[in-house]
Amino acid sequence: QVQLMQSGAELKKPGASVRVSCKASGYTLSTYGFTWVRQAPGQGLEWMGWISTYNTDKKYARTFQGRLAMTTDISTSTAYMELRSLRSDDTAIYYCARAYSSRWTHTCDFWGQGTLVTVSS
Amino acid sequence: SSELTQDPAVSVALGQTVRITCQGDSLRIYYASWYQQKPGQAPILVMYGRNDRPSGIPDRFSGSSSGNTASLTITGAQAEDEADYYCNSRDNSDNHVLFGGGTKVTVL
Repeated sequence: QVQLMQSGAELKKPGASVRVSCKASGYTLSTYGFTWVRQAPGQGLEWMGWISTYNTDKKYARTFQGRLAMTTDISTSTAYMELRSLRSDDTAIYYCARAYSSRWTHTCDFWGQGTLVTVSS
Repeated sequence: SSELTQDPAVSVALGQTVRITCQGDSLRIYYASWYQQKPGQAPILVMYGRNDRPSGIPDRFSGSSSGNTASLTITGAQAEDEADYYCNSRDNSDNHVLFGGGTKVTVL
């Protein structure tokens, strides 16, 4: 069965960087990309970006331009999301999701369990 | 870029029907997907494409679309359907992805 297993909670100081991993299993990686979404406390879902595992094409939300990097390691079926220059308002749960992106849709059909990132001095 | 607009909250009596809507220019071109999120849990996909349900999603959930509005309908709402529901689609302006602000569904 499809599973996405994310790394554990992180506590970071302002200005630091965080890297969250997402290990996929149960399917052929190149068929789907990864989308990263975050959710601040009590807030809705915010799309951060998407990376293809077929050709490493990437799209980042403008909000994160310059601070965000997404990569994949096909050999270990793992996706990574790194966010730099952290601020207190980056405190959120970060989710990875398996994403099917086509001409007509962008659907996240399986999600990781989420990783809480807390930014505090 | 575009945005997707959802009503913040709706309520429905147990066993009745509720429609959750999602409005945005991108929906004139792209399909919406719908996600259910219960407190403390990750979202799960409940509807995608024209009107497709993932395996394991009850058939009381259905989807439709007209113009710039996509809808998720729960026919015969159950207590376990109480959750936040989010729509998403591709963004027609820059090939990015949009999420709606979410609708909190309360089953009375």
